[in-house]
Amino acid sequence: GENVEQHPSTLSVQEGDSAVIKCTYSDSASNYFPWYKQELGKRPQLIIDIRSNVGEKKDQRIAVTLNKTAKHFSLHITETQPEDSAVYFCAATYSSNTGKLIFGQGTTLQVKP
Amino acid sequence: DGGITQSPKYLFRKEGQNVTLSCEQNLNHDAMYWYRQDPGQGLRLIYYSQIVNDFQKGDIAEGYSVSREKKESFPLTVTSAQKNPTAFYLCASSSTGGTGELFFGEGSRLTVL
Repeated sequence: GENVEQHPSTLSVQEGDSAVIKCTYSDSASNYFPWYKQELGKRPQLIIDIRSNVGEKKDQRIAVTLNKTAKHFSLHITETQPEDSAVYFCAATYSSNTGKLIFGQGTTLQVKP
Repeated sequence: DGGITQSPKYLFRKEGQNVTLSCEQNLNHDAMYWYRQDPGQGLRLIYYSQIVNDFQKGDIAEGYSVSREKKESFPLTVTSAQKNPTAFYLCASSSTGGTGELFFGEGSRLTVL
């Protein structure tokens, strides 16, 4: 069925370290994979996305990689800062209906100063 | 000021009562979504609509109903049939359906007493 699994559920890193969050999806025909950041008490906001015809995308300190064969994609944050502390959600669009976006369970990232 | 507006922000209801959450957008987006957010479970899709007068069930539609009579509006009714309605509800819209950025409202927190 349609499913997105996200790990880990919580992640604590020291300021300046890197953080990696991984997601797997079940539909091999999924073609769009966004990442959202939700700060405490705020609405989720898109931080980066990747489409199935691209293997990697980078935007300053954040990057996303996609492995279509293994059906997983990952968010990489380098040189973490305290303001990176938030809940991060991955998502995937399913081919049977491109209007349907399914989210992972979320990862709470804590960056310790 | 363009955006997506949800109301009310906080809502209390007694068991057995129906309640309607409002979602309005002035972004001229065709697609609109309702998600439910519970701790540790991510964002779960309730209903979505890709065009006026049409909508589809998401993964947890039981006990909920929606309408899409106008492009700008996508209200969600939480009925008495929803067994565990206490949650945080997020509405979102998109110009490209599930293959582009979702713009979220600030959310509505429903508490059943």
